[in-house]
Amino acid sequence: QVQLQESGPGLVKPSQTLSLTCTVSGGSISSGTYHWSWIRQPAGKGLEWIGRIYSSGSTNYNPSLKSRVTISVDTSKNQFSLNLSSVTAADTAVYYCARGTAFWGQGTLVTVSS
Amino acid sequence: QSALTQPASVSGSPGQSITISCTGTSSDVGGYKYVSWYQQHPGRTPKLIIYEVSNRPSGVPDRFSGSKSGDTASLTISGLQAEDEADYYCSSYTSIRTLVFGGGTKLTVL
Repeated sequence: QVQLQESGPGLVKPSQTLSLTCTVSGGSISSGTYHWSWIRQPAGKGLEWIGRIYSSGSTNYNPSLKSRVTISVDTSKNQFSLNLSSVTAADTAVYYCARGTAFWGQGTLVTVSS
Repeated sequence: QSALTQPASVSGSPGQSITISCTGTSSDVGGYKYVSWYQQHPGRTPKLIIYEVSNRPSGVPDRFSGSKSGDTASLTISGLQAEDEADYYCSSYTSIRTLVFGGGTKLTVL
């Protein structure tokens, strides 16, 4: 069964770039027609879809974040990544990576603070 | 894109049935069969319980069912159990090839 694991800094300074990586195990990121997504959830609040990427490299982003988001894939490492630039305290959240809608990582808390 | 509209909270007694609505537009819920529902217990990762409006992943009890009428999707939980107490979120594919979530519904089992 496919498993996903997020990794990256837990603390990012305001105005800097948040960078996270999702490592996929139990299956190839290149196989099938799955999409690979990033989703976030501020403490005590709802889920927000950030964007997704296909193994081909094709991407779709949340319009409200599009100007600051880049999602990329490294098929050789079976990983995909999230870069979110110019972060503020409002970007503090648990960040999840997912395959399609069925398989999610455990999530990683990223705090934006000086 | 605007979040899908869900009631903030619903409640029911053990054994009863409850329904959670998820209202969007013709550009998301009403236009596609790609509506999903997730269950999230406190401190846990969301779990997919319904996909493509009414399909249950393997291992999800048949007490959980989904449907859609027009721009509104619904999740029904029958035979409510204490363990069903959780937050529930809907999501939908949209006309601009994105995904949008609902604001979430807190289910309380009385």
